[in-house]
Amino acid sequence: QQQVKQSPQSLIVQKGGIPIINCAYENTAFDYFPWYQQFPGKGPALLIAIRPDVSEKKEGRFTISFNKSAKQFSLHIMDSQPGDSATYFCAAKGGATNKLIFGTGTLLAVQP
Amino acid sequence: KAGVTQTPRYLIKTRGQQVTLSCSPISGHRSVSWYQQTPGQGLQFLFEYFSETQRNKGNFPGRFSGRQFSNSRSEMNVSTLELGDSALYLCASSRDGTTGRETQYFGPGTRLLVL
Repeated sequence: QQQVKQSPQSLIVQKGGIPIINCAYENTAFDYFPWYQQFPGKGPALLIAIRPDVSEKKEGRFTISFNKSAKQFSLHIMDSQPGDSATYFCAAKGGATNKLIFGTGTLLAVQP
Repeated sequence: KAGVTQTPRYLIKTRGQQVTLSCSPISGHRSVSWYQQTPGQGLQFLFEYFSETQRNKGNFPGRFSGRQFSNSRSEMNVSTLELGDSALYLCASSRDGTTGRETQYFGPGTRLLVL
């Protein structure tokens, strides 16, 4: 019940394409869903986050779609660029805790 | 504002030894969490400290321990190292974490190799 399932494991898109990464969770106590981007040799960096009372959130080229009834959320990257090539992690947490439950990660490659 | 810093960045140890890793959170941040990242298990939560108290703990053996000092700096210790402890150890800080919705900022990690 503590798991966050993420797919796909890897993704290759052409520059300008819209990669979509999906995550699903079981624990209905989760109330905060961040996405992190990680480059080789670096720690994860927060991209965008959403709460379950919102169905969509946009920040620049990054959009989270959230489906509370299905317990699923996804990340869309508009007009993807080679510089977006990285590993993306979805995560979730609930309650007064900073314990993040991470998905398994998606390795994204954006080809020029 | 300086980010989360972790020392050392790289470490090589042998089985049976112990190791101490250090994390300095962003100035003003009082919550520090530790994560282990491996190719096989991904990112797994180790523990969280807030105001020098362990507030939450993941599913790791007692060989993994930590502490937080009054200046919010944190250390984690792994005793009796095993080969499977080879990983990237990440520290993350947030302002106070009382709402559970604080942004966590990660450091670059300490890469531990156990031979």
